[in-house]
Amino acid sequence: QKEVEQNSGPLSVPEGAIASLNCTYSDRGSQSFFWYRQYSGKSPELIMSIYSNGDKEDGRFTAQLNKASQYVSLLIRDSQPSDSATYLCAVEGGGADGLTFGKGTHLIIQP
Amino acid sequence: EPEVTQTPSHQVTQMGQEVILRCVPISNHLYFYWYRQILGQKVEFLVSFYNNEISEKSEIFDDQFSVERPDGSNFTLKIRSTKLEDSAMYFCASSRQSNQPQHFGDGTRLSIL
Repeated sequence: QKEVEQNSGPLSVPEGAIASLNCTYSDRGSQSFFWYRQYSGKSPELIMSIYSNGDKEDGRFTAQLNKASQYVSLLIRDSQPSDSATYLCAVEGGGADGLTFGKGTHLIIQP
Repeated sequence: EPEVTQTPSHQVTQMGQEVILRCVPISNHLYFYWYRQILGQKVEFLVSFYNNEISEKSEIFDDQFSVERPDGSNFTLKIRSTKLEDSAMYFCASSRQSNQPQHFGDGTRLSIL
């Protein structure tokens, strides 16, 4: 059974600070890793994808992957109130595997 | 920017009835997926579809469910003899290649009475 674990939060961060979101996964054969943002009642929106160990930066977002530790993280710099949402970590094994999602971390950016 | 479109946005159906949820994936994408999210729970994979056949399905995707690509643009999920526990948001997603990012539609909220 593939599992993706996230702290459900809520994680409260002051506006302008760095928000750090973490995720661990159980399947060592996982190849692709994604972060999605989901506002209440809306669909998941892709934020970042990462496929190899290390960091990947895109604007205010940095994804980090450590396959040896089976750990993925997302950093959000200069957090804005509009970043308040649930952040979903998703992992894909290979082929046409579906995504295995974590339960998500509820992030609150305090103005 | 191209997007995945889903219809209807909300479907209310009596228990035991059949329902068809429709999706138009992004035009140059080759892989199609259905997910569901029960209120307050995580997003769960149902099925993936490639080259006009099912590639993978989860334990949730039992004989009650079927998928079809009836023409060059639509991708449908049929649920036969719906049950109360089928009430959920159903999301369609598509990707250009396997292991590429999947882009989600806005979802269909299915309510079984």
